[in-house]
Amino acid sequence: AQSVTQLGSHVSVSEGALVLLRCNYSSSVPPYLFWYVQYPNQGLQLLLKYTTGATLVKGINGFEAEFKKSETSFHLTKPSAHMSDAAEYFCAVRLNYGGSQGNLIFGKGTKLSVKP
Amino acid sequence: NAGVTQTPKFQVLKTGQSMTLQCAQDMNHEYMSWYRQDPGMGLRLIHYSVGAGITDQGEVPNGYNVSRSTTEDFPLRLLSAAPSQTSVYFCASSYLHPPLGIDSPLHFGNGTRLTVT
Repeated sequence: AQSVTQLGSHVSVSEGALVLLRCNYSSSVPPYLFWYVQYPNQGLQLLLKYTTGATLVKGINGFEAEFKKSETSFHLTKPSAHMSDAAEYFCAVRLNYGGSQGNLIFGKGTKLSVKP
Repeated sequence: NAGVTQTPKFQVLKTGQSMTLQCAQDMNHEYMSWYRQDPGMGLRLIHYSVGAGITDQGEVPNGYNVSRSTTEDFPLRLLSAAPSQTSVYFCASSYLHPPLGIDSPLHFGNGTRLTVT
């Protein structure tokens, strides 16, 4: 079964520092990978996605992620944190085969705090 | 373009009551799903549908029913509410079939916050 592991339920960085949120997946075939962001009391918004092609993908708000098949990882980074980046971030794997095609499997989320 | 619309935004129920959470999308998406979000648990799939007339169970289906009579609507019914169903519920939809569905992300509603006392 596919699963997603996000290391660290809480990450705190200073404004201007590098943001690194870790995501590892387990899958027998290369999956579709997504990062979503959730601001307080809101729904989830797509940050970026990887399906095929270039393994370094750029998303909104200066975020990017790199698909590393050998490490089964899809870590999210941003060179310089901004106060407005404080939110909860979810990594997700989309099943692209079989009877459950289309279903998204989410990690448990990482809450990012940004200190002034 | 309204996207995915969920109603109500907030609801308080007593144990044993029933209710329906509404979800509608105007993007002609084939795929629709319901998730519940609980602290420290991420989002867990309750039920999903790959088209009108087709529904299936997700990870945590017990206590919930769904139907999909039209492409646009995907209501979630709580049959007899229990305190364990206190949660935030999200509806999400996307294209599923090629060509648009190959890498289509899920579009989420803004959620329904449900409290069962």
